[in-house]
Amino acid sequence: DVQLTQSPSPLSASVGDRVTITCRASHSISNSLNWYQQKPGKPPKLLIYEASGLQRGVPSRFSGTGSGTDFTLTISSLQLEDFATYYCQQSHTSPQTFGQGTKVDIK
Amino acid sequence: QVQLVQSGAEVKKPGSSVKVSCTASGGTFYSDAFTWVRQGPGQGLEWMGTIIVLLGITDYAQNFQGRVTMTADKATSTAYLDLTSLRSEDTAVYYCARVRGCSSTNCRRNHWFDHWGQGTLVTVSS
Repeated sequence: DVQLTQSPSPLSASVGDRVTITCRASHSISNSLNWYQQKPGKPPKLLIYEASGLQRGVPSRFSGTGSGTDFTLTISSLQLEDFATYYCQQSHTSPQTFGQGTKVDIK
Repeated sequence: QVQLVQSGAEVKKPGSSVKVSCTASGGTFYSDAFTWVRQGPGQGLEWMGTIIVLLGITDYAQNFQGRVTMTADKATSTAYLDLTSLRSEDTAVYYCARVRGCSSTNCRRNHWFDHWGQGTLVTVSS
């Protein structure tokens, strides 16, 4: 199975900060990497697909980069509604796997 | 706009089975694929499997092989997750999600989950 390791975990930040979350895969997964945001009691929400594609309706302050084994999710200017847990997920190889999650909380 | 509505919470005894439904609207159900993901209390996300509706093709995670069955009813636009031989570790919120990036026979290496149901809490307790 492809293991995904996210860092940091957790992450404390302030409104307006630039935030970067990293996801490292145990094997190369090309660009088959997606990012989701989850708030307590809610289902995950797709943010980024294929490593860098911005899902329709997602604010442009979210961006994704990477290929192979190293990927990043960046929030250019953290807003109050962005405090949540973020998961990466690979679809390259079955079984699809998720990272352990990165909780972004208020510093 | 695609909406996925799941069935309500369930309480089950160890060793029993549960069937969770996921009814879709606003899309083209017969040409879609749906996945099931679960989340234990305070835990991360765990992929269980995917069903491609048109041909009923399934791909199950090894962890659930032999205990899980995913089906889809085109007449009612409803996907189902059946999990048997329940144990306490199966207590979780179960989510369905629509998959983008699948053909009628397989999902590409690049596929993702773009719309999610609200989740169904399944509690397994004696």
